[in-house]
Amino acid sequence: AQKITQTQPGMFVQEKEAVTLDCTYDTSDPSYGLFWYKQPSSGEMIFLIYQGSYDQQNATEGRYSLNFQKARKSANLVISASQLGDSAMYFCASRETSGSRLTFGEGTQLTVNP
Amino acid sequence: NAGVTQTPKFQVLKTGQSMTLQCAQDMNHNSMYWYRQDPGMGLRLIYYSASEGTTDKGEVPNGYNVSRLNKREFSLRLESAAPSQTSVYFCASSEAWDFTDTQYFGPGTRLTVL
Repeated sequence: AQKITQTQPGMFVQEKEAVTLDCTYDTSDPSYGLFWYKQPSSGEMIFLIYQGSYDQQNATEGRYSLNFQKARKSANLVISASQLGDSAMYFCASRETSGSRLTFGEGTQLTVNP
Repeated sequence: NAGVTQTPKFQVLKTGQSMTLQCAQDMNHNSMYWYRQDPGMGLRLIYYSASEGTTDKGEVPNGYNVSRLNKREFSLRLESAAPSQTSVYFCASSEAWDFTDTQYFGPGTRLTVL
């Protein structure tokens, strides 16, 4: 069964600085997808970025990039030039070929300080 | 284009009462999902519908039933609510039932069972 581990319950960053949120995954499936979602205090789940297991390049979406290290089974989210609006809970999730569901980690609460 | 919509946004039930959570998507997606989110945890899959006309159990299906009414709508029913079902419920949809497909979430329903 797949498992996602986010070891940072809380992170703090100064506005305009970059921050890395850690995510490690455990799967025996050779094909899988990795996703990051943002959950602000208002509660909705917002999709940020996707990385496929066969993708050679690290995914990027605007200020978000995914540092994908397949051998280490890590998929860290990098947010560049942090903004106050980035303060939120961030979830890493994975999905295998054999499964229907996203498996979520417990999340990292990011606080951006002015 | 509203994406995924859910009703109601908030609900308070007494133990033993029943209710149906409604979900609709306007993205012409084939697959739909119901998740629950408990404090300090990521989301867990309750039921899913890979395509119109099919439904299957997820990780935590006990106490729930679902109906895929048509391609757009997927409802979740609690027949006899219990305090353990106090949670935030999210509906999601994806274009297809594939590990590369992004799941897009609705705004959530916050349910309290007294």
